[in-house]
Amino acid sequence: GQNIDQPTEMTATEGAIVQINCTYQTSGFNGLFWYQQHAGEAPTFLSYNVLDGLEEKGRFSSFLSRSKGYSYLLLKELQMKDSASYLCAVRENYGQNFVFGPGTRLSVLP
Amino acid sequence: ETGVTQTPRHLVMGMTNKKSLKCEQHLGHNAMYWYKQSAKKPLELMFVYNFKEQTENNSVPSRFSPECPNSSHLFLHLHTLQPEDSALYLCASSQGTSPSYEQYFGPGTRLTVT
Repeated sequence: GQNIDQPTEMTATEGAIVQINCTYQTSGFNGLFWYQQHAGEAPTFLSYNVLDGLEEKGRFSSFLSRSKGYSYLLLKELQMKDSASYLCAVRENYGQNFVFGPGTRLSVLP
Repeated sequence: ETGVTQTPRHLVMGMTNKKSLKCEQHLGHNAMYWYKQSAKKPLELMFVYNFKEQTENNSVPSRFSPECPNSSHLFLHLHTLQPEDSALYLCASSQGTSPSYEQYFGPGTRLTVT
């Protein structure tokens, strides 16, 4: 079956570092995506991992371990505007099916 | 502004009504998607179109009927909906359906079925 788990909510302080975890069990694997969604807005693409390891893009980094079915999104030097939901999504092997996790709502406090 | 527009942004309809949601992308992409986002539930993929051909239908009830007349436009025709169909309907597009292509989402249509 398909199952993606993320913490429901997290809180962090401005300027700090936060790690948002994602674990998945899906029918095949063909890449993992992270999206950011501000309240009332559309999701926007943050990162894509298909091979094991760390992908860094500015203040955001994403890590993947395919053998463990695990990924994390690392946000450094947190800013107030980083308060949003962060969605983990897995692309399955067959067809074009995307499976999204429930999202993690991050609140950045001053 | 992601280059994907959706109309209307808000829609209230009765269970016996027929309405359509429209999505247009200005990115030159070849693949388009419909998603449903309900409160406290993960984003659910409904339909996928690649070069105007439907390639994925995730067991969506027939009261939702998609139409893709060309690679830039996508419609979702609605009829005899149920209150549980109330949700945010998001359209997305991508350059193609290869695994690495990220999706660009529209702002969504907030649908309320009364």
